[in-house]
Amino acid sequence: QSVLTQSPTVSGAPGQRVTISCTGRSSNIGAGYNVHWYQQLPGTAPKLLIYGNSNRPSGVPDRFSASKSATSASLAITGLQVEDEADYYCQSYDRSLSGWVFGGGTRLTVL
Amino acid sequence: QVELQESGPGLVKPSETLSLTCGVSGYSIISGYYWAWIRRPPGKGLEWIGSMFHSGKTDYNPSLKSRVTISVDASSNHLSLKLTSVTAADTAVYYCAAHDSSGRLDFWGQGTLATVSP
Repeated sequence: QSVLTQSPTVSGAPGQRVTISCTGRSSNIGAGYNVHWYQQLPGTAPKLLIYGNSNRPSGVPDRFSASKSATSASLAITGLQVEDEADYYCQSYDRSLSGWVFGGGTRLTVL
Repeated sequence: QVELQESGPGLVKPSETLSLTCGVSGYSIISGYYWAWIRRPPGKGLEWIGSMFHSGKTDYNPSLKSRVTISVDASSNHLSLKLTSVTAADTAVYYCAAHDSSGRLDFWGQGTLATVSP
């Protein structure tokens, strides 16, 4: 049971838009800690996708965007491409646990 | 560009100690960043194991704290992980990574699979 809750799977057709949610609580996202998002392509290491709730690192397409509100965060991917098939993770800090926590991950399938 | 490379035995027996190292290139390990170990068990998600700042300050996942030691060797620019009394539940791909104070994991190693089996 992960501290941050993500839906296990999401799917969409090429060109469509999907959103991935990340639900936390008052000890993590709700306490104002930053949320970061990672993309893990099959057989590779995770890669930073979004940092500081809504910022894209250099090189990440603007098809990827994210937001945060209250005790949750969400990642949106528009113009879905086959190469977007991956596992997506949110991450934040939890002050009750005094440590970094990840969501359980969401597997994106592009139909 | 910062590069990280994990290494260690691929197979560890139950109750023994898992020891992994992570070589860092392109950046001095004592210049900044927090240095972390993260794992992904088969079929599961990512789990933060612990982090160490170059000053020596360490933070560990409470669920693993009694069994984990993370250390840094500035002379060789390496990061190390020791996990004692391993069980099958510790089988995972282990990643070393560098993060800032907000937790942003900027750089990752490619990962190394550690299997716990008799």
